[in-house]
Amino acid sequence: SQQGEEDPQALSIQEGENATMNCSYKTSINNLQWYRQNSGRGLVHLILIRSNEREKHSGRLRVTLDTSKKSSSLLITASRAADTASYFCATDVGDMRFGAGTRLTVKP
Amino acid sequence: GAVVSQHPSWVICKSGTSVKIECRSLDFQATTMFWYRQFPKQSLMLMATSNEGSKATYEQGVEKDKFLINHASLTLSTLTVTSAHPEDSSFYICSARGQGATKAFFGQGTRLTVV
Repeated sequence: SQQGEEDPQALSIQEGENATMNCSYKTSINNLQWYRQNSGRGLVHLILIRSNEREKHSGRLRVTLDTSKKSSSLLITASRAADTASYFCATDVGDMRFGAGTRLTVKP
Repeated sequence: GAVVSQHPSWVICKSGTSVKIECRSLDFQATTMFWYRQFPKQSLMLMATSNEGSKATYEQGVEKDKFLINHASLTLSTLTVTSAHPEDSSFYICSARGQGATKAFFGQGTRLTVV
């Protein structure tokens, strides 16, 4: 079964805008990870945030984690058309379970 | 990062036949491997978790006799879809994690089409 829910399910923005995706989960976790998937392809690991961390940055990505609310967010700043993809959060509870994902479309 | 190789990347088979998908960790020992299935425009659903030398643990609703998982070595796990049917057509992805490791590494996925 899936661990979490993500919202929005789909997001369409213009190039240069910021994109924020949210993920909620149900149980205690060891860490939470965000992945990107281009249509029909494998997963690309973006960032891992541990349960004792609150915020993490990597380039144009910013991830936050609120374990009290069991939620995380992924912010992509200054989006590009190449960021168009599906984004998934995955919670590590021994095994890894994925949220439903957000389909991001960045229009040039 | 570590490399996980999944083979084949795509396969087309006839209904009723069996298909084997391989997942190899190329530069680390994978004590645990995970198998996922992904239908179009949906998320990855965990099918089973396998630890080297042990029987796989299947998620609820996944038929263990239909999806045979073997993890006989620290670098190889296989998923065999037995008596495949068109509804088994999907994208199958494996991931592998070493002992005590935080991150799991994913294979490139296998697109199975059953005709």
